[in-house]
Amino acid sequence: EVQLVESGGGLVQPGGSLRLSCAASGFDISTHWMTWVRQAPGKGLEWVANMRYHGNEKYYVDSVKGRFTISEDNAKNSLYLQMVSLRAEDTAVYYCARVNDYSNYVLDVWGQGATVTVS
Amino acid sequence: EIVMTQSPATLSGSPGERATLSCRASQSVSSKLAWYQQKPGQTPRLLISGASTRAPGVPARFSGSGSGTEFTLTISSLQSEDSAVYYCQQYYDWPPLTFGGGTKVEI
Repeated sequence: EVQLVESGGGLVQPGGSLRLSCAASGFDISTHWMTWVRQAPGKGLEWVANMRYHGNEKYYVDSVKGRFTISEDNAKNSLYLQMVSLRAEDTAVYYCARVNDYSNYVLDVWGQGATVTVS
Repeated sequence: EIVMTQSPATLSGSPGERATLSCRASQSVSSKLAWYQQKPGQTPRLLISGASTRAPGVPARFSGSGSGTEFTLTISSLQSEDSAVYYCQQYYDWPPLTFGGGTKVEI
């Protein structure tokens, strides 16, 4: 079964750091673009970051540039989001998601989400 | 940045009724448009890609149409399990990938 499982969420003070992990099973992340999407409480979906397999292309939403870093560990088949200088407005559920294909850049597999609270 | 606008914000319907959800892009996205369903307390689920192609396992009562800047998600006969928020997302021009604000469907 194709699955993504996030971990690492929690409560952190403003200015603090947190690292989210996303363990993939049933497929190899080194063959897919991967992405992070967040959802603030009661709000809609917001794309945060994505990266090409092997990490040679990475993109971020402007509001997190310089503070968040997306990375992967192919040996562990896992995706990560390192977050520093956290702000109250970063409070959200963070989902990792698989991109179907570069020519069909839709998110076809989602994790259950990791809750990050900055307070 | 391409801005996606969805309407209405909330749609109420009865079982068996037809529901029409709209999504408008601030510039043409060709057919690079996806729809997602998010039920209360659940993870988003891909419904439609390429504006009109249903994802595997999506019931036939869900259909997508449109191209350019105007798109529609139609639920031909509402079921109780269709209560959810529906989001559109463009992937024509990124970064950033952009989502609409969502339409909440109440049955």
